[in-house]
Amino acid sequence: KQEVTQIPAALSVPEGENLVLNCSFTDSAIYNLQWFRQDPGKGLTSLLLIQSSQREQTSGRLNASLDKSSGRSTLYIAASQPGDSATYLCAPQGAGGFKTIFGAGTRLFVKA
Amino acid sequence: GAGVSQSPSNKVTEKGKDVELRCDPISGHTALYWYRQRLGQGLEFLIYFQGNSAPDKSGLPSDRFSAERTGESVSTLTIQRTQQEDSAVYLCASTRDRANEKLFFGSGTQLSVL
Repeated sequence: KQEVTQIPAALSVPEGENLVLNCSFTDSAIYNLQWFRQDPGKGLTSLLLIQSSQREQTSGRLNASLDKSSGRSTLYIAASQPGDSATYLCAPQGAGGFKTIFGAGTRLFVKA
Repeated sequence: GAGVSQSPSNKVTEKGKDVELRCDPISGHTALYWYRQRLGQGLEFLIYFQGNSAPDKSGLPSDRFSAERTGESVSTLTIQRTQQEDSAVYLCASTRDRANEKLFFGSGTQLSVL
Protein backbone atom coordinates (compact mmCIF):
# COMPACT_ATOMS: atom_id res chain seq x y z
CA LYS A 1 0.00 0.00 0.00
CA GLN A 2 1.44 3.34 -1.08
CA GLU A 3 2.14 5.81 1.71
CA VAL A 4 3.12 9.39 0.99
CA THR A 5 4.81 11.68 3.50
CA GLN A 6 5.37 15.40 3.08
CA ILE A 7 7.81 17.45 5.10
CA PRO A 8 7.47 20.04 6.50
CA ALA A 9 3.77 20.04 7.41
CA ALA A 10 3.79 23.82 7.51
CA LEU A 11 6.21 26.53 6.49
CA SER A 12 6.24 30.31 6.92
CA VAL A 13 8.80 32.35 4.99
CA PRO A 14 9.37 36.00 4.08
CA GLU A 15 8.71 37.08 0.52
CA GLY A 16 11.59 36.49 -1.89
CA GLU A 17 12.98 33.36 -0.27
CA ASN A 18 13.73 30.22 -2.23
CA LEU A 19 12.25 27.14 -0.63
CA VAL A 20 12.08 23.37 -0.95
CA LEU A 21 9.16 21.11 -0.17
CA ASN A 22 9.85 17.41 0.32
CA CYS A 23 7.82 14.33 -0.54
CA SER A 24 8.63 10.68 0.07
CA PHE A 25 6.70 7.59 -1.00
CA THR A 26 7.03 3.95 -0.04
CA ASP A 27 6.25 2.16 -3.33
CA SER A 28 8.61 3.14 -6.14
CA ALA A 29 6.49 1.37 -8.80
CA ILE A 30 4.88 4.52 -10.13
CA TYR A 31 3.90 5.92 -13.53
CA ASN A 32 4.35 9.51 -12.50
CA LEU A 33 4.22 12.00 -9.66
CA GLN A 34 2.20 15.18 -9.61
CA TRP A 35 2.47 18.27 -7.48
CA PHE A 36 -0.77 20.11 -6.76
CA ARG A 37 -1.72 23.38 -5.18
CA GLN A 38 -4.85 23.73 -3.02
CA ASP A 39 -6.24 27.11 -2.00
CA PRO A 40 -8.65 27.35 0.97
CA GLY A 41 -12.20 26.47 0.00
CA LYS A 42 -11.20 25.61 -3.55
CA GLY A 43 -10.34 22.53 -5.55
CA LEU A 44 -6.89 21.38 -6.51
CA THR A 45 -4.77 22.59 -9.41
CA SER A 46 -2.07 20.41 -10.94
CA LEU A 47 1.23 22.29 -11.07
CA LEU A 48 3.68 19.78 -12.50
CA LEU A 49 3.64 16.15 -13.60
CA ILE A 50 6.90 14.19 -13.75
CA GLN A 51 6.81 10.88 -15.57
CA SER A 52 8.73 8.00 -14.01
CA SER A 53 11.37 8.17 -16.76
CA GLN A 54 12.04 11.87 -16.09
CA ARG A 55 14.24 13.46 -13.45
CA GLU A 56 12.66 16.89 -13.29
CA GLN A 57 10.08 19.30 -14.66
CA THR A 58 10.04 23.08 -14.63
CA SER A 59 7.23 25.61 -14.89
CA GLY A 60 8.09 29.25 -14.30
CA ARG A 61 9.43 29.61 -10.76
CA LEU A 62 8.63 25.99 -9.93
CA ASN A 63 10.97 23.05 -10.37
CA ALA A 64 10.10 19.51 -9.34
CA SER A 65 12.58 16.66 -9.19
CA LEU A 66 11.98 12.93 -8.93
CA ASP A 67 14.24 10.16 -7.65
CA LYS A 68 12.00 7.16 -8.19
CA SER A 69 14.39 4.53 -6.88
CA SER A 70 14.73 6.23 -3.51
CA GLY A 71 11.07 7.24 -3.36
CA ARG A 72 11.64 10.99 -3.15
CA SER A 73 10.49 14.14 -4.87
CA THR A 74 11.13 17.79 -4.15
CA LEU A 75 9.33 20.93 -5.23
CA TYR A 76 11.55 23.99 -5.44
CA ILE A 77 9.90 27.42 -5.44
CA ALA A 78 12.13 30.31 -6.43
CA ALA A 79 11.66 33.89 -5.25
CA SER A 80 8.50 33.14 -3.27
CA GLN A 81 5.58 35.58 -3.37
CA PRO A 82 2.55 36.09 -1.09
CA GLY A 83 0.40 34.64 -3.90
CA ASP A 84 2.23 31.35 -3.48
CA SER A 85 0.56 30.89 -0.09
CA ALA A 86 -1.42 27.65 -0.32
CA THR A 87 -1.20 23.97 0.54
CA TYR A 88 1.05 21.94 -1.75
CA LEU A 89 0.26 18.28 -2.26
CA CYS A 90 2.40 15.51 -3.70
CA ALA A 91 0.67 12.59 -5.47
CA PRO A 92 2.31 9.57 -7.09
CA GLN A 93 0.29 7.41 -9.51
CA GLY A 94 0.83 3.70 -8.88
CA ALA A 95 1.87 1.45 -11.74
CA GLY A 96 -0.08 -1.46 -10.33
CA GLY A 97 -3.56 -0.06 -10.59
CA PHE A 98 -3.32 3.56 -11.74
CA LYS A 99 -4.48 4.92 -8.37
CA THR A 100 -3.15 8.36 -7.49
CA ILE A 101 -2.48 8.67 -3.75
CA PHE A 102 -1.95 11.98 -1.97
CA GLY A 103 0.27 13.15 0.83
CA ALA A 104 -1.18 15.29 3.62
CA GLY A 105 0.43 18.40 2.14
CA THR A 106 2.69 21.26 3.15
CA ARG A 107 0.90 24.43 4.17
CA LEU A 108 2.94 27.39 2.92
CA PHE A 109 2.57 30.98 4.07
CA VAL A 110 4.66 33.67 2.36
CA LYS A 111 4.78 36.92 4.30
CA ALA A 112 4.84 40.22 2.43
CA GLY B 1 -17.80 20.51 -20.40
CA ALA B 2 -15.08 23.03 -19.69
CA GLY B 3 -14.19 21.61 -16.31
CA VAL B 4 -15.16 18.96 -13.77
CA SER B 5 -18.53 19.85 -12.31
CA GLN B 6 -19.80 18.63 -8.95
CA SER B 7 -23.21 19.02 -7.39
CA PRO B 8 -24.43 20.00 -4.98
CA SER B 9 -21.67 22.31 -3.77
CA ASN B 10 -23.03 22.03 -0.22
CA LYS B 11 -25.21 19.40 1.39
CA VAL B 12 -26.53 19.38 4.94
CA THR B 13 -28.25 16.23 6.05
CA GLU B 14 -29.42 14.51 9.18
CA LYS B 15 -27.69 11.47 10.60
CA GLY B 16 -29.17 8.30 9.14
CA LYS B 17 -30.30 9.83 5.83
CA ASP B 18 -28.94 8.77 2.43
CA VAL B 19 -27.15 11.26 0.18
CA GLU B 20 -26.14 11.28 -3.49
CA LEU B 21 -23.25 13.32 -4.81
CA ARG B 22 -22.78 13.89 -8.51
CA CYS B 23 -19.73 14.41 -10.69
CA ASP B 24 -19.65 15.45 -14.35
CA PRO B 25 -16.14 14.84 -15.69
CA ILE B 26 -14.52 16.71 -18.53
CA SER B 27 -15.86 15.44 -21.84
CA GLY B 28 -13.63 12.70 -23.25
CA HIS B 29 -11.92 11.89 -19.96
CA THR B 30 -11.93 8.14 -19.47
CA ALA B 31 -10.71 7.99 -15.87
CA LEU B 32 -12.58 9.34 -12.84
CA TYR B 33 -11.63 9.44 -9.17
CA TRP B 34 -13.50 10.17 -5.96
CA TYR B 35 -11.62 11.43 -2.89
CA ARG B 36 -12.65 12.51 0.58
CA GLN B 37 -10.99 15.34 2.49
CA ARG B 38 -11.79 15.79 6.16
CA LEU B 39 -11.18 19.17 7.73
CA GLY B 40 -7.48 19.91 7.98
CA GLN B 41 -6.45 16.59 6.47
CA GLY B 42 -5.16 15.27 3.17
CA LEU B 43 -7.08 13.59 0.37
CA GLU B 44 -8.28 10.05 1.04
CA PHE B 45 -8.74 7.85 -2.05
CA LEU B 46 -12.21 6.32 -2.32
CA ILE B 47 -12.78 4.82 -5.78
CA TYR B 48 -11.38 4.89 -9.33
CA PHE B 49 -13.19 4.27 -12.63
CA GLN B 50 -11.43 3.63 -15.95
CA GLY B 51 -13.62 3.28 -19.03
CA ASN B 52 -15.62 0.07 -18.91
CA SER B 53 -13.17 -1.74 -16.62
CA ALA B 54 -14.21 -2.89 -13.16
CA PRO B 55 -13.73 0.02 -10.73
CA ASP B 56 -11.07 0.01 -8.02
CA LYS B 57 -13.18 0.24 -4.87
CA SER B 58 -10.34 -0.40 -2.46
CA GLY B 59 -10.67 2.98 -0.74
CA LEU B 60 -14.36 2.86 0.15
CA PRO B 61 -14.45 3.01 3.97
CA SER B 62 -17.56 0.88 4.52
CA ASP B 63 -20.41 -0.82 2.70
CA ARG B 64 -22.49 2.31 3.27
CA PHE B 65 -20.49 3.89 0.45
CA SER B 66 -21.06 3.04 -3.20
CA ALA B 67 -20.42 4.69 -6.54
CA GLU B 68 -21.56 4.21 -10.09
CA ARG B 69 -20.46 5.45 -13.46
CA THR B 70 -22.06 4.70 -16.79
CA GLY B 71 -19.42 4.47 -19.50
CA GLU B 72 -17.33 7.63 -19.56
CA SER B 73 -20.00 9.97 -18.27
CA VAL B 74 -21.49 11.10 -15.00
CA SER B 75 -20.62 9.41 -11.72
CA THR B 76 -22.70 9.28 -8.56
CA LEU B 77 -21.32 8.63 -5.07
CA THR B 78 -23.98 7.40 -2.65
CA ILE B 79 -23.62 7.33 1.12
CA GLN B 80 -26.32 5.40 2.95
CA ARG B 81 -27.32 5.94 6.57
CA THR B 82 -24.95 8.88 6.94
CA GLN B 83 -22.93 9.29 10.13
CA GLN B 84 -21.34 12.43 11.56
CA GLU B 85 -17.90 11.05 10.68
CA ASP B 86 -18.92 11.21 6.99
CA SER B 87 -18.79 15.02 7.18
CA ALA B 88 -16.09 16.11 4.74
CA VAL B 89 -15.47 17.60 1.31
CA TYR B 90 -15.94 15.01 -1.41
CA LEU B 91 -13.76 15.74 -4.42
CA CYS B 92 -14.03 14.30 -7.91
CA ALA B 93 -11.25 14.32 -10.50
CA SER B 94 -11.01 13.17 -14.09
CA THR B 95 -8.15 12.52 -16.48
CA ARG B 96 -7.85 11.89 -20.17
CA ASP B 97 -6.30 8.44 -19.92
CA ARG B 98 -5.16 5.85 -17.43
CA ALA B 99 -1.61 7.01 -16.87
CA ASN B 100 0.63 10.04 -17.14
CA GLU B 101 -2.14 12.56 -17.50
CA LYS B 102 -2.82 15.48 -15.19
CA LEU B 103 -5.80 15.17 -12.89
CA PHE B 104 -8.44 17.87 -13.13
CA PHE B 105 -10.48 18.41 -9.98
CA GLY B 106 -13.95 19.73 -9.37
CA SER B 107 -14.63 22.22 -6.57
CA GLY B 108 -16.05 19.50 -4.35
CA THR B 109 -19.19 18.88 -2.34
CA GLN B 110 -19.11 19.97 1.29
CA LEU B 111 -21.15 17.38 3.19
CA SER B 112 -22.28 18.17 6.72
CA VAL B 113 -24.04 15.46 8.73
CA LEU B 114 -25.87 16.82 11.77
